[in-house]
Amino acid sequence: EIVLTQSPATLSLSPGERATLSCRASQSINNYLAWYQQKPGQAPRLLIYDASNRATGIPARFSGSGSGTDFTLTISSLEPEDFALYYCQQRSNWLFGQGTRLEIK
Amino acid sequence: QVQLVESGGGVVQPGRSLRLSCAASGFTFSAYAIHWVRQAPGKGLEWVAVISYDGNNQYYADSVKGRFTISRDNSKNKLYLQMHSLRADDTAVYYCARDFDVYDGSGYFGKWGQGTLVTVSS
Repeated sequence: EIVLTQSPATLSLSPGERATLSCRASQSINNYLAWYQQKPGQAPRLLIYDASNRATGIPARFSGSGSGTDFTLTISSLEPEDFALYYCQQRSNWLFGQGTRLEIK
Repeated sequence: QVQLVESGGGVVQPGRSLRLSCAASGFTFSAYAIHWVRQAPGKGLEWVAVISYDGNNQYYADSVKGRFTISRDNSKNKLYLQMHSLRADDTAVYYCARDFDVYDGSGYFGKWGQGTLVTVSS
């Protein structure tokens, strides 16, 4: 079973800073990875699919990269509404990483 | 617009059964695989089950296999999750989520409902 490990568990940054979130797969998953954002009390929202494609309506400050086992979600300049939980997910067995909490410093 | 609305959650005793429903609108329901994903209080996301667009194929997480059954009625635009032998660790918000792509799908979750809370407690 492919396992996804996200790091860090918590990331503390200020608005305007650049955020880099990592997701590592236990074996190669090609580019079959998605990223989701979840705010308190809300359902998750798809941000990125196939590692680097932004979903409809997602701002350009969100970008994804990587292939094989190492993947990155980058938020180029943090807006106040970006502070949330972020999950990666691979499509082979639909499993999620454990999440990264992006909090205001 | 695309809408997924879950219902059927509540408080249930350990060992009992519960059926969740998900009503879909705003898209061609019969063209999409649909998933159930759950989230225990304060915890991360856990994929539970998926059913193919035509209802012919179902897959389950090991944690629910043999206890939960996913089904759909394409004539009513509805998805179901029948849950038996419920345990305390089944306590979670249960989301239905539409696949990102039609028919065979992408394996990603493109649209989500707002969830329904299931609490298993005596």
